[in-house]
Amino acid sequence: NAGVTQTPKFRVLKTGQSMTLLCAQDMNHEYMYWYRQDPGMGLRLIHYSVGEGTTAKGEVPDGYNVSRLKKQNFLLGLESAAPSQTSVYFCASSPSGGAFETQYFGPGTRLLVL
Amino acid sequence: GDSVTQMEGPVTLSEEACLTINCTYTATGYPSLFWYVQYPGEGLQLLLKATKADDKGSNKGFEATYRKETTSFHLEKGSVQVSDSAVYFCALIPNAGKSTFGDGTTLTVKP
Repeated sequence: NAGVTQTPKFRVLKTGQSMTLLCAQDMNHEYMYWYRQDPGMGLRLIHYSVGEGTTAKGEVPDGYNVSRLKKQNFLLGLESAAPSQTSVYFCASSPSGGAFETQYFGPGTRLLVL
Repeated sequence: GDSVTQMEGPVTLSEEACLTINCTYTATGYPSLFWYVQYPGEGLQLLLKATKADDKGSNKGFEATYRKETTSFHLEKGSVQVSDSAVYFCALIPNAGKSTFGDGTTLTVKP
C-alpha cells in the first residue's frame, strides 16, 4: 500500500497562475481532506469530501476549488494564485469520517507563489 | 468555537530527559483528542489518541490522558531519544468536517 500520495512535491507559481494539486489514496477511504500548514497557525482545513462526487467547505476555503470525481482521488485547484497561498498543503484520508478515526496524511506539497 | 492551545516551542532536551508538552482545549460536546507527529520532510502521522474522558492513549513510550475536568491532553514521555525529534500536534476532532489542530511544538533532542 502506498497510502496517501501527493503530486507535485514542490511548485513555484507566479501570481495569477493556476495549478492543480493531486491527492491519491489506495485504502478505499470514504473521507478525504485538504489542509494548509502555515508557521504558527497549525493545520487549517480547506475543503473535505465525504465520498465520491461530494465536496464541502472547511475553515479556509476561499481561493480554492476541489473535485472528487473518483473515490481514490481528491484534487485541489488554485484558479488564480496569490502570495497568501504560499504554504505547505497536506492531503489526508479517513475510513468513514468518524470523530474517533485516524486521519492518514500524505507527505505534503510545498507551494511558493511569487 | 472549538480551539486547541498547545505549549509553545521550540523545546530542546537532552537524551533520556523527561518530556511534557501541554495541550488544553475548548470544545462543545465530547470530541476525540489526538496527538500527531511530523518528522522532518514528512506528513503527519498519528502518535496516539483518546476518544472519551479518562482514556489514556499510549504509543512508542508516549502517553496522554484525556482529562475532561481540566480540558487537557498533555503529552508525556519518561525518557526521550534523539529519534523523537519532530513537531508534535495536538488535535481535536468533534466530527469529520471540523478538525482543529494546535500550532505544533518542535522538539529537538540532543545526544
